[in-house]
Amino acid sequence: DAKTTQPNSMESNEEEPVHLPCNHSTISGTDYIHWYRQLPSQGPEYVIHGLTSNVNNRMASLAIAEDRKSSTLILHRATLRDAAVYYCILRGFTSGTYKYIFGTGTRLKVLA
Amino acid sequence: NAGVTQTPKFQVLKTGQSMTLQCAQDMNHNSMYWYRQDPGMGLRLIYYSASEGTTDKGEVPNGYNVSRLNKREFSLRLESAAPSQTSVYFCASSEQGVMSNQPQHFGDGTRLSIL
Repeated sequence: DAKTTQPNSMESNEEEPVHLPCNHSTISGTDYIHWYRQLPSQGPEYVIHGLTSNVNNRMASLAIAEDRKSSTLILHRATLRDAAVYYCILRGFTSGTYKYIFGTGTRLKVLA
Repeated sequence: NAGVTQTPKFQVLKTGQSMTLQCAQDMNHNSMYWYRQDPGMGLRLIYYSASEGTTDKGEVPNGYNVSRLNKREFSLRLESAAPSQTSVYFCASSEQGVMSNQPQHFGDGTRLSIL
């Protein structure tokens, strides 16, 4: 089964850009890449998703490698409120069964 | 707006007891989901309901049953709780079905301990 691999933790200074990597070398052609973040004692919060092309929204940008085996979530200016665990997720179907596979996540620490 | 509401927020059970976790959403969403999150890990999908009246297994369905009571409510039942089911359980909903890429909206979780 496809899975995602992320660094356990990263640090960033406030107001600097942050690049959060994710490897998904076994991704299938129809799998979408989703990103969520989770604050302590809360449920995950949607950030962004994409298939092949790079995507931008008000929260972040998603850069997807040409071979789709990796992607990078970009926070353009990190704030203290961005400190959270960020999950890279593959969404798709395997043998007709819906799958939404979370990785173990990257804990982002933002330094004031 | 309440969004996705889960009850209870905390529960302690003894091995072998049964328990139903409740989830309700007020966003008129079609699809609902149940996940579990073990310490230091990402979420794993237990069951989902693509639309009212349908339910399907996810990645880790063993030991659980679900009921999509109506469009708003999706419950998760542990018939005979085991210590391995100690976890944080999250319910989520999305506007359209699983064939779409609509984001999922999550509740704040139920923390379940089984002794």
